[in-house]
Amino acid sequence: GENVEQHPSTLSVQEGDSAVIKCTYSDSASNYFPWYKQELGKGPQLIIDIRSNVGEKKDQRIAVTLNKTAKHFSLHITETQPEDSAVYFCAASRGSGTYKYIFGTGTRLKVLA
Amino acid sequence: ETGVTQSPTHLIKTRGQQVTLRCSSQSGHNTVSWYQQALGQGPQFIFQYYREEENGRGNFPPRFSGLQFPNYSSELNVNALELDDSALYLCASSFRTQQETQYFGPGTRLLVL
Repeated sequence: GENVEQHPSTLSVQEGDSAVIKCTYSDSASNYFPWYKQELGKGPQLIIDIRSNVGEKKDQRIAVTLNKTAKHFSLHITETQPEDSAVYFCAASRGSGTYKYIFGTGTRLKVLA
Repeated sequence: ETGVTQSPTHLIKTRGQQVTLRCSSQSGHNTVSWYQQALGQGPQFIFQYYREEENGRGNFPPRFSGLQFPNYSSELNVNALELDDSALYLCASSFRTQQETQYFGPGTRLLVL
């Protein structure tokens, strides 16, 4: 069935270092891949997304790469700051039908000052 | 802030009771999706409503039901509550043309005792 695997489950980095979170999806019909940041007690907030016709997208310190052949995509955060500490979720969605999101299990990122 | 609101923020129920959760979608959005997020897990798709009709359902039993109103707000109803229904319930709104981003509300934390 549809599945998204996400690694690592926890990640600790020093302030200023880079962080990378990886996801692999199973449904080859997936063509939209958003990333969400969830802080304690809040709903998920979209931070960046990528569509299957694009290999890479960047927004300031955040970038996402997509490898359709391998069915994996990654989130890259550079120059991490303490306020980047949160749980990050990747998701995959088809471009038709319900457009439901299949989420990964989350990565808890801790940025150490 | 996404403009998606949910009520109530917290709720405590006992096993066997029924609960109704509410969601107001972001202005201009016509689609509402509901997700269940257990502690430490990624959100799981419950169902989606588009133009007041259910448009896709995840692996949840019939005691999970919903409604969408002409103003695109939505309700999630859960009958015969079970202990495992304890979770954060998230509502996400989007504008359904092709693949559009879903914007999440803050969620309703439900505890079933």
